[in-house]
Amino acid sequence: GAGVSQSPRYKVTKRGQDVALRCDPISGHVSLYWYRQALGQGPEFLTYFNYEAQQDKSGLPNDRFSAERPEGSISTLTIQRTEQRDSAMYRCASSLAPLGTGNTEAFFGQGTRLTVV
Amino acid sequence: AQSVTQLDSHVSVSEGTPVLLRCNYSSSYSPSLFWYVQHPNKGLQLLLKYTSAATLVKGINGFEAEFKKSETSFHLTKPSAHMSDAAEYFCVVLGTYKYIFGTGTRLKVLA
Repeated sequence: GAGVSQSPRYKVTKRGQDVALRCDPISGHVSLYWYRQALGQGPEFLTYFNYEAQQDKSGLPNDRFSAERPEGSISTLTIQRTEQRDSAMYRCASSLAPLGTGNTEAFFGQGTRLTVV
Repeated sequence: AQSVTQLDSHVSVSEGTPVLLRCNYSSSYSPSLFWYVQHPNKGLQLLLKYTSAATLVKGINGFEAEFKKSETSFHLTKPSAHMSDAAEYFCVVLGTYKYIFGTGTRLKVLA
């Protein structure tokens, strides 16, 4: 597609429910990144993939959070047993090659605003 | 480890006056640095990037930033603010295959 697409744009869920957030990267982009942005803060790294391989998941806050990119394109971030502290903007980005390779830059989607009530 | 510190959480300027958004970085090697802008309900947009070429970097919409190694700074400037510049601005350093963001500076432009 023309840009990084995330769905849904807004999600309200009850505490204890599972949620799945979707990211559709720019076609042909090798690398895909997930970030979480709390209100009034900068985006914080969660995890990233090259193709279908999860390269770094050091930013996932606990084992309720997981991500996959099974065919090296679309990615899903899943939060199990949601808690109110999970409320945030979840942003996805993609890049043609891993960041730091040549002159690569990341392109960000508009994000999914998650509210846990 | 790499990090960035944005020195002001909020900046207010009058339309037509200069803009200065301050960022200091910490890096164990020559850093790659970026400024991103976030307008309400929009994604993050790259304004400019420094990757060890010219120390004065020009970006979109009249913004520029100067890399100063001696001061470990990468401040964002614009000679004349426009109402449409009101947004949140993030200073970013490239870590190991990922971006590390500052906490952001919210720019308010007064008519």
